[in-house]
Amino acid sequence: GQQLNQSPQSMFIQEGEDVSMNCTSSSIFNTWLWYKQEPGEGPVLLIALYKAGELTSNGRLTAQFGITRKDSFLNISASIPSDVGIYFCAGHGSGNTGKLIFGQGTTLQVKP
Amino acid sequence: DVKVTQSSRYLVKRTGEKVFLECVQDMDHENMFWYRQDPGLGLRLIYFSYDVKMKEKGDIPEGYSVSREKKERFSLILESASTNQTSMYLCATQDRLNEKLFFGSGTQLSVL
Repeated sequence: GQQLNQSPQSMFIQEGEDVSMNCTSSSIFNTWLWYKQEPGEGPVLLIALYKAGELTSNGRLTAQFGITRKDSFLNISASIPSDVGIYFCAGHGSGNTGKLIFGQGTTLQVKP
Repeated sequence: DVKVTQSSRYLVKRTGEKVFLECVQDMDHENMFWYRQDPGLGLRLIYFSYDVKMKEKGDIPEGYSVSREKKERFSLILESASTNQTSMYLCATQDRLNEKLFFGSGTQLSVL
């Protein structure tokens, strides 16, 4: 079945640094979604991507739908302590009727 | 804004008890999902539903059942709770037009 590899698994960075994480799929996806989850809460949608090559921003966050349609990237610029959390990618391919495939998550810690 | 409400944030039950986790959404979405989240295992799909009275097994349905009698409500049932069902349970609803998944705040269930 379809699989998603998300990397890195965790990051510990200094406040102000930029962050990059990515997801790769074993098959083509038509939709990529990026979520952030804070401790004790449910994931919250950050960015949705629907077209190969699409680049979308949400404040300091920028995500891209890879040209091959098998990967996606999330960048956070000038990180701040409230960026702490787990970031998940999720993809939707054809034929699985609404079900999303989730990456394992990237845990981000920011040192003030 | 989409509102997905899970009935309990924290729940403690004993082994063998029947447990009901309730989820209500206010966006008239057809698709609803139940996931469990465990450290190191990511989000795993238990059951989903595309419409009232319809249900489909996800990746880990054993030990669970669901009920969707009304469009806005999707219930997860643990027929006889076991300690290995201690987990964070997340309900989600999906907009079919754009595949975006919206999560509730989660229920942290402990089975003793």
